Amino acid sequence: KAGVTQTPRYLIKTRGQQVTLSCSPISGHRSVSWYQQTPGQGLQFLFEYFSETQRNKGNFPGRFSGRQFSNSRSEMNVSTLELGDSALYLCASSFENSYEQYFGPGTRLTVT
Amino acid sequence: ELKVEQNPLFLSMQEGKNYTIYCNYSTTSDRLYWYRQDPGKSLESLFVLLSNGAVKQEGRLMASLDTKARLSTLHITAAVHDLSATYFCAVKTTSGTYKYIFGTGTRLKVLA
Repeated sequence: KAGVTQTPRYLIKTRGQQVTLSCSPISGHRSVSWYQQTPGQGLQFLFEYFSETQRNKGNFPGRFSGRQFSNSRSEMNVSTLELGDSALYLCASSFENSYEQYFGPGTRLTVT
Repeated sequence: ELKVEQNPLFLSMQEGKNYTIYCNYSTTSDRLYWYRQDPGKSLESLFVLLSNGAVKQEGRLMASLDTKARLSTLHITAAVHDLSATYFCAVKTTSGTYKYIFGTGTRLKVLA
């Protein structure tokens, strides 16, 4: 079974731009969660989607948004990028009624 | 404030020795996760603990959960170099808005 895939793997953007990251979950998984990892703040939860609905949301400004499609693929968007948005963005998928999360390789975003 | 605290933050140990990593959390939760992260890589799920008194073991790692004390431990038995990594615990809160909260991580280095 293929694992969680994330595209792109690396991205360099300029302050003020916007970016869209994509996550394809493991086949059959309907739950997708997004996380941000930085050296200063550590791992922080962004949001969780299940069957195209946002179920939970972390404490991030409205510039961070996401969505999930009918095939369970998910995207997250960051508008008006700031230097502090430079981070590794991880997504994880899980099977319905399963607690275990499987993480993708991450997208490393650098904002200059 | 919702907190997940790990200690120690850094751990350098000799091969063959035993040690324990502690994870304290301040909120109600219905599950506790342990993850491993190698440098530059994503998160690998180690354990999911769901109930008070839960104990899980995989190889040289054993995790336990005491929900009354809001404490989980990750015990390393007879450490080997391959266990060198950063270990994170995380909880999913059950009060207020559900979200995942991660500990700061414990950077483990096993010396030959």
